[in-house]
Amino acid sequence: DTEVTQTPKHLVMGMTNKKSLKCEQHMGHRAMYWYKQKAKKPPELMFVYSYEKLSINESVPSRFSPECPNSSLLNLHLHALQPEDSALYLCASSQDRSSYNSPLHFGNGTRLTVT
Amino acid sequence: ELKVEQNPLFLSMQEGKNYTIYCNYSTTSDRLYWYRQDPGKSLESLFVLLSNGAVKQEGRLMASLDTKARLSTLHITAAVHDLSATYFCAVDNYAGNMLTFGGGTRLMVKP
Repeated sequence: DTEVTQTPKHLVMGMTNKKSLKCEQHMGHRAMYWYKQKAKKPPELMFVYSYEKLSINESVPSRFSPECPNSSLLNLHLHALQPEDSALYLCASSQDRSSYNSPLHFGNGTRLTVT
Repeated sequence: ELKVEQNPLFLSMQEGKNYTIYCNYSTTSDRLYWYRQDPGKSLESLFVLLSNGAVKQEGRLMASLDTKARLSTLHITAAVHDLSATYFCAVDNYAGNMLTFGGGTRLMVKP
């Protein structure tokens, strides 16, 4: 079991839909991350939040919109996605961005299919 | 730009055998992580290596880091079927937990 909880586990959406992915952690971590993982590929960083502020946006298209309502929650709002956006979306957290010996704790991911 | 390369990308081995997975990276770093991922599952942290010469062991897995050679190894001793998974190394290039992952090594251990 993971201490980072992601919902939903699976999501199928059309290209005109608006949906949101949710992530929650109660470990007191102050850094939270969104990663995208295509099949048989490594995870790729999308966004980093540090103390509830967006600190890194890895040139992600605007159809992906992150939100961090508080230190425990992280959302990813999706709008007008393309079929190539289908992937496993992983949320992760860590104590903060600078702590040594602080590996990222990953959630189980949301398997997204865009039709 | 930091690049992280793992080899092999696929490894099929018999139970009881030993093998090593290699992780090379292109720029200076002294923070390297190993993760395990089962099919359709999340990534599980295995090891955190924070200094040159660091060696950590857990069960049949042992990881080491040589920052001068920019190389980490994950050694598997007397493999068992339960070790079948994909193993990723990830390097932090001093940008604050911005990890760059290697391509992953898919390990299959056959009875």
